[in-house]
Amino acid sequence: GDSVTQMEGPVTLSEEAFLTINCTYTATGYPSLFWYVQYPGEGLQLLLKATKADDKGSNKGFEATYRKETTSFHLEKGSVQVSDSAVYFCALEGSEKLVFGKGTKLTVNP
Amino acid sequence: EPEVTQTPSHQVTQMGQEVILRCVPISNHLYFYWYRQILGQKVEFLVSFYNNEISEKSEIFDDQFSVERPDGSNFTLKIRSTKLEDSAMYFCAASPSGNEKLFFGSGTQLSVL
Repeated sequence: GDSVTQMEGPVTLSEEAFLTINCTYTATGYPSLFWYVQYPGEGLQLLLKATKADDKGSNKGFEATYRKETTSFHLEKGSVQVSDSAVYFCALEGSEKLVFGKGTKLTVNP
Repeated sequence: EPEVTQTPSHQVTQMGQEVILRCVPISNHLYFYWYRQILGQKVEFLVSFYNNEISEKSEIFDDQFSVERPDGSNFTLKIRSTKLEDSAMYFCAASPSGNEKLFFGSGTQLSVL
């Protein structure tokens, strides 16, 4: 069945460091792909999405490119801020539902 | 931005007891979902609800689980007789149009003792 695998966390970075959170997926066809973020005490929020191969989703300085050949959707940001500290979830659109990864906790220190 | 509201934020219950988790979705949304996350594991789909009926449910969503939208605003998840393994964070989500954009609540942490 459909599945999403994210890099294990937690990830700890200093402010202005480069961030990559790896995400690979297994699915039939070419589902839409998503990154959700959960800030402390809040619900999951859609961060960005891509609906077809080679699409790049971007928001708040974060980017992810839908790579069909490597079945990947890695999240990147060139310069993280303390306010980016959160849990990041990669997800794909299955039939009638989203399929999530485990989440990766990011802590950014000043 | 509109919010999905979940109550309570924490619920502690004894094994075998019934619990009801409540959610107030965004008013013009038509699709409703429950997901859960056991500590350290993936966020798992439980059930989707559209047009006042279940549209899909997972293997986890057995006869102990039920959902209702009793008054057109609240969307509830009931666990009839809780088990230790039901301990998890339960997330409600709503969408105007299906999977393309889900709005999640902040979750209810359920602890079964």
